Amino acid sequence: KAGVTQTPRYLIKTRGQQVTLSCSPISGHRSVSWYQQTPGQGLQFLFEYFSETQRNKGNFPGRFSGRQFSNSRSEMNVSTLELGDSALYLCASSLWGAGTEAFFGQGTRLTVV
Amino acid sequence: AQSVTQLDSHVSVSEGTPVLLRCNYSSSYSPSLFWYVQHPNKGLQLLLKYTSAATLVKGINGFEAEFKKSETSFHLTKPSAHMSDAAEYFCVVSDGEYGNKLVFGAGTILRVKS
Repeated sequence: KAGVTQTPRYLIKTRGQQVTLSCSPISGHRSVSWYQQTPGQGLQFLFEYFSETQRNKGNFPGRFSGRQFSNSRSEMNVSTLELGDSALYLCASSLWGAGTEAFFGQGTRLTVV
Repeated sequence: AQSVTQLDSHVSVSEGTPVLLRCNYSSSYSPSLFWYVQHPNKGLQLLLKYTSAATLVKGINGFEAEFKKSETSFHLTKPSAHMSDAAEYFCVVSDGEYGNKLVFGAGTILRVKS
């Protein structure tokens, strides 16, 4: 069974631009969560989508947003990029929800210059 | 809120010797606990999970962890380290009674010397 697929794997953007990241979860999984990983802050929860609805949100500014489609694929958008947004963004797929057993994609490495 | 503390940021062992990665958790509820591993430039892979069944949990690649409620600990062990075990390991707790999200520890980098 196919795993979690994140695209693209690498991105370089300029400050002020916006970016969209994509995640395809494991077939049958309705929950998709997004995490930001940085050397200084570690892994931090961004938000969770379940059946096209945002269920939970972490402590990130409104520049970070997301959505989920009817096929459970999810996108995450970051507007007005800042240098501090440089990070590895990880998508997690789970059957029952964000606090349960989760399967992660390989991540998208975003570099803001 | 739930939290986890990984007691060592770095652990170094020789190949063939036991591995012990320590984790303490804080939870108001009966927690779900996980260990994940991350190899360089890779995503996270689930090693094992505890969800209130047996307190000794066996995972992949010879790893196991024991849930000790009295000590609020969930240490990860392996009898014999292999070079391929070198990676970063994360202890994770489910946040809240209904598991709204995963809360990650700061990670322990395991180095395996030949």
